[in-house]
Amino acid sequence: DIQMTQSPASLSASLEEIVTITCQASQDIGNWLAWYQQKPGKSPQLLIYDATSLADGVPSRFSGSRSGTQYSLKISRLQVEDIGSYYCQQAHSNPRTFGGGTKLELK
Amino acid sequence: EVQLQESGPGLVKPSQSLSLTCSVTGYSITSNYWGWIRKFPGNKMEWMGYISYSGSTSYNPSLKSRISITRDTSKNQFFLQLNSVTTEDTATYYCAADTMGITLFDYWGQGVMVTVSS
Repeated sequence: DIQMTQSPASLSASLEEIVTITCQASQDIGNWLAWYQQKPGKSPQLLIYDATSLADGVPSRFSGSRSGTQYSLKISRLQVEDIGSYYCQQAHSNPRTFGGGTKLELK
Repeated sequence: EVQLQESGPGLVKPSQSLSLTCSVTGYSITSNYWGWIRKFPGNKMEWMGYISYSGSTSYNPSLKSRISITRDTSKNQFFLQLNSVTTEDTATYYCAADTMGITLFDYWGQGVMVTVSS
């Protein structure tokens, strides 16, 4: 199985701050990576697909990038509605695997 | 708009089978891919498997001997059955849709919490 190592596990940030979350894949997955946001009490929502493409309706302050087998999700100016948990998922091969999640809180 | 809704018992006894239904509106399950994902207490997410537009299935090997995903196209529903459950199968179960056909999920149900306990 492809392991997705996500960091940090938790993060406390201030409003308007830049936030970065990373996922390291255990092998080459190309651009087959998605990022999801899960707000408290809600189901996950797709943010980014193909490593860098913004899903429909997602604010432009979210962006995804790739450097080799390391993938990053960046929130350019943290807003209160961004609080929740974030997960990466590789879509390269079965079984699809998720990162361990990052819980984002307001400082 | 695609909408998914899980239904099924919230409590299952150990060694029994867990059965869930996902009812889909706004999109035909004879297109693209339809999956099950679960989130454990402690927040780990696990991809369980999917059923395709043609009815073919793909399962997580860690579950392969216990899992079955089927569908009823006349009702636009698909189903999860997980056999021989243990307390480690306690989780929130989500059904989800991959309408882009690239094996990630762009629509999710609200989730159903299933507890395995005697």
